[in-house]
Amino acid sequence: DTEVTQTPKHLVMGMTNKKSLKCEQHMGHRAMYWYKQKAKKPPELMFVYSYEKLSINESVPSRFSPECPNSSLLNLHLHALQPEDSALYLCASSPRGGTAEKLFFGSGTQLSVL
Amino acid sequence: DAKTTQPNSMESNEEEPVHLPCNHSTISGTDYIHWYRQLPSQGPEYVIHGLTSNVNNRMASLAIAEDRKSSTLILHRATLRDAAVYYCILRDVVRGGGKLIFGQGTELSVKP
Repeated sequence: DTEVTQTPKHLVMGMTNKKSLKCEQHMGHRAMYWYKQKAKKPPELMFVYSYEKLSINESVPSRFSPECPNSSLLNLHLHALQPEDSALYLCASSPRGGTAEKLFFGSGTQLSVL
Repeated sequence: DAKTTQPNSMESNEEEPVHLPCNHSTISGTDYIHWYRQLPSQGPEYVIHGLTSNVNNRMASLAIAEDRKSSTLILHRATLRDAAVYYCILRDVVRGGGKLIFGQGTELSVKP
């Protein structure tokens, strides 16, 4: 199984809602990543988890709250989002986070904030 | 993070080879050169990576200049399914914490 599974595929939420994005992998990878991608732009790194601990936060606003409850699962909790947060949110994993490793990406969650 | 420069777009004909260039003049000795591609409506997909020597895999070849200031991704026979945005990325654990930071990429279109 070389898949990274993201749910839901699409999400529409209001600015006062709280929602969560889920990412799962069963490859035994210990590094997991959240990226944000606006239309026609490259993906931007948000967070990196290494062995279930947050190792990189790219100055992401606190309305985005990541969580890694176990080595297979990565969540992104959303609250009080703005319309400009509408984007494709991509999850990725790699074996240990080393620079020679390849990242495996999911297909993303397309988020619309109204 | 060291920067890469790629053409915004390129065109190719089906079943012909494609050479996608990438300049990285500020590359350091510990930077790995990674290539990913993103097909429409999908997440990025790993293509190939290397440090100093040329690399081949079933998807593509990576040719790295001797001074490492540039590299070229070679698709040996382009198919319609190769139409995607191709990203050349430098990844360095010493300065960049191992982060995979995407640049603007090259949008490749393949004509039948």
